[in-house]
Amino acid sequence: EPEVTQTPSHQVTQMGQEVILRCVPISNHLYFYWYRQILGQKVEFLVSFYNNEISEKSEIFDDQFSVERPDGSNFTLKIRSTKLEDSAMYFCASRELPNEQFFGPGTRLTVL
Amino acid sequence: GDSVTQMEGPVTLSEEAFLTINCTYTATGYPSLFWYVQYPGEGLQLLLKATKADDKGSNKGFEATYRKETTSFHLEKGSVQVSDSAVYFCALRREAAGNKLTFGGGTRVLVKP
Repeated sequence: EPEVTQTPSHQVTQMGQEVILRCVPISNHLYFYWYRQILGQKVEFLVSFYNNEISEKSEIFDDQFSVERPDGSNFTLKIRSTKLEDSAMYFCASRELPNEQFFGPGTRLTVL
Repeated sequence: GDSVTQMEGPVTLSEEAFLTINCTYTATGYPSLFWYVQYPGEGLQLLLKATKADDKGSNKGFEATYRKETTSFHLEKGSVQVSDSAVYFCALRREAAGNKLTFGGGTRVLVKP
């Protein structure tokens, strides 16, 4: 069964450093999403991406964040200058109309 | 804006007990409703869904009915197992809102043998 994969599973970084979280969506899916879950809190929407552009973003997704689909298979989330409060589990999801979103296993980001 | 409220946990049960997790929502229009489950150390898995009023979603012994009159989508299972120990998230999706999912806060369920 096809699945969404994410790498790395755990990323530790120093405050102020750039990180790139990688996702490989399911191959025939066209809609891509990033969500995050701060430890013990609810899952929050960050951004959706379709047709090589952002379709919607939340207020969390500020100028420090960017997304890219560089090569037709990967979907990346970049945080330019990480802050302590960026520590969270980041989930990628993909979707093919009209079905539900499939989530990856997540990347745990720890900012020290 | 859209929101989902679900009962806070943790909910601790004995094996074979009946489980109910309440979920209510606020949204304009006609959202689709979902329950996702997160097992320890894993990501989110879709458990069940309902796309219109009075639909019943079911999977693995879990059920939830889309009640528009009470804006609710309560999750139930008649006889839980230890393997059902997880965090359960209620969520909604509106097509007019870009199809993003709006999640509730999650309910941790612990089933003891």
